[in-house]
Amino acid sequence: GAVVSQHPSRVICKSGTSVKIECRSLDFQATTMFWYRQFPKQSLMLMATSNEGSKATYEQGVEKDKFLINHASLTLSTLTVTSAHPEDSSFYICSAGGQGSNQPQHFGDGTRLSIL
Amino acid sequence: LAKTTQPISMDSYEGQEVNITCSHNNIATNDYITWYQQFPSQGPRFIIQGYKTKVTNEVASLFIPADRKSSTLSLPRVSLSDTAVYYCLVGPYNAGNNRKLIWGLGTSLAVNP
Repeated sequence: GAVVSQHPSRVICKSGTSVKIECRSLDFQATTMFWYRQFPKQSLMLMATSNEGSKATYEQGVEKDKFLINHASLTLSTLTVTSAHPEDSSFYICSAGGQGSNQPQHFGDGTRLSIL
Repeated sequence: LAKTTQPISMDSYEGQEVNITCSHNNIATNDYITWYQQFPSQGPRFIIQGYKTKVTNEVASLFIPADRKSSTLSLPRVSLSDTAVYYCLVGPYNAGNNRKLIWGLGTSLAVNP
């Protein structure tokens, strides 16, 4: 089945650091990828839709200058959390659609971000 | 996008069949129903998807009545490793990869020995 790889799986860094998270579709091309954030005991919250070759579409309340998204190829999208602060600590997950209009989304294994 | 309602939690025992029902009263004609499983600190994993009637795969069955306003995920003979959060989602039928999904709180299933 389709596989989505996310890296790194865990990041611990100091406040003010910028952190880049990669999301790769390993066996299919994805013109669209999605980035989610999940706080403990809560559901996934969509942050933005990453579009290959164009600007990402951000959900209401998500700062585009804070969460930079780059989707430079059909198999790679990156999310950069700029100048991260403790409140940005969360579980970040990406997903990409399977080929075909009614195919389900496939998810990466997430990145646990901890800002000290 | 259709809103879904599921029980917050369920308890079961090893070897039992577990049925989790999801309500989606305002499901649209083009919406598919998809179920995901999520373990702690992992991304969601696709379980099953359907549009109407019954769908079965190697891990679960999905029952969808004719009005499609609800669906039931059936897990046969659960084991301890099935302890997870199960999400029911409905999403629009779109061309290509553009499927924006709205996630509810899911059902936290605890399987006891």
